[in-house]
Amino acid sequence: EVQLLESGGGLVQPGGSLRLSCAASGFTFSNYAMHWVRQAPGKGLEWVSAVIGSGGGTSYADSVKGRFTISRDNSKSTVYLQMNSLRAEDTAVYYCAKRDGSGSYFFDCWGQGTQVTVSS
Amino acid sequence: QTVVTQEPSFSVSPGGTVTLTCGLSSGSVSTSYYPSWYQQTPGQAPRTLIYSTNTRSFGVPDRFSGSILGSKAALTITGAQADDESDYYCVLNMGSGISMFGGGTKLTVL
Repeated sequence: EVQLLESGGGLVQPGGSLRLSCAASGFTFSNYAMHWVRQAPGKGLEWVSAVIGSGGGTSYADSVKGRFTISRDNSKSTVYLQMNSLRAEDTAVYYCAKRDGSGSYFFDCWGQGTQVTVSS
Repeated sequence: QTVVTQEPSFSVSPGGTVTLTCGLSSGSVSTSYYPSWYQQTPGQAPRTLIYSTNTRSFGVPDRFSGSILGSKAALTITGAQADDESDYYCVLNMGSGISMFGGGTKLTVL
């Protein structure tokens, strides 16, 4: 069974840093791109970042570019999101999502999410 | 700045049919954007419904269908049920590893 389990969320002050992790199981992790998607309280889903299977290519939403860094450790089947210079507007539930491998560009598995709160 | 557009809200009667749409602030949505649709209930992770415009994800009832209608992607629910009351999001693949979500449609079944 494919599973994604996020961790690392919490309360952080504005300007602070946090690293989220997403541990994957049930599939050959290195074969799939992985994404982070967030949802602010009462708001819609927002795509944040992606990393390809090898880790050699990344992409970011404009709202986080230059502050967030996505990475992965295929030996640990884990994807990370390093979040620096956090702002109140980064407060959200952060989901990791697995990209399909068929070239259809959709998210075929989601984690349950981890809460990030940026507040003084 | 391109924006993916969805109706903020929609209502449908039980047993009725509703079509939700997904457009672009500039330009048309085509199959090249690989539109996908997700259902989310409060406090839960999204659930994949439709991908690649019109392919149902595993286990999704056939009352859910996807298509391109004019310049937009569309999600049609035929024979709506009470537990279809959810938020629905479309996602477009913009290339270069970037995906864009629509703002979501809150569907009420009443």
